[in-house]
Amino acid sequence: NAGVTQTPKFQVLKTGQSMTLQCAQDMNHEYMSWYRQDPGMGLRLIHYSVGAGITDQGEVPNGYNVSRSTTEDFPLRLLSAAPSQTSVYFCASRTSGGNEQFFGPGTRLTVL
Amino acid sequence: GDSVTQMEGPVTLSEEAFLTINCTYTATGYPSLFWYVQYPGEGLQLLLKATKADDKGSNKGFEATYRKETTSFHLEKGSVQVSDSAVYFCALSDPGNAGNMLTFGGGTRLMVKP
Repeated sequence: NAGVTQTPKFQVLKTGQSMTLQCAQDMNHEYMSWYRQDPGMGLRLIHYSVGAGITDQGEVPNGYNVSRSTTEDFPLRLLSAAPSQTSVYFCASRTSGGNEQFFGPGTRLTVL
Repeated sequence: GDSVTQMEGPVTLSEEAFLTINCTYTATGYPSLFWYVQYPGEGLQLLLKATKADDKGSNKGFEATYRKETTSFHLEKGSVQVSDSAVYFCALSDPGNAGNMLTFGGGTRLMVKP
């Protein structure tokens, strides 16, 4: 079991560029989510999904899009990167009936 | 909405000292409470959890008790080690919230000196 995997590990973008952060899990978890981590603010929920084809917004969704075409994958898209999106991004997953979330290793994104 | 407040760091201790990291919460429902730990350069790992009032979560010498009357979930360890140096996050999941996702506190950095 690889658990939750994220790529890339590091990324530098220029303002206005687009990119997709990848997240995959091999635990057959129904629920997946994206958080961003900023100093002193803990982790904040961006988007989440309770199953393939179903997504919803979290606390800070602006500037991000998601889709969930398979149970395993939950990519996060930045359509036009802004410096305010400089952060560390974590993907997480869990079963529908459980409350323990499993986190990926994170992607450190810098937007210049 | 739900929120979690934890003491700001960094907390600097000598090895074998007693550790307390305070955490209080507000929630509309009946949340489950968690402590996550993040070691340098890594993702978050679940340290311990409690799902109802008066439950005590424990793991690797760390403990926390779910106190509904004081809405608290303070993390304690009797004797810290250098290897405990990390950032600790208190979090809750509230079944009243869509998706039952986690709400985190701001994190507390712990530094343990030999």
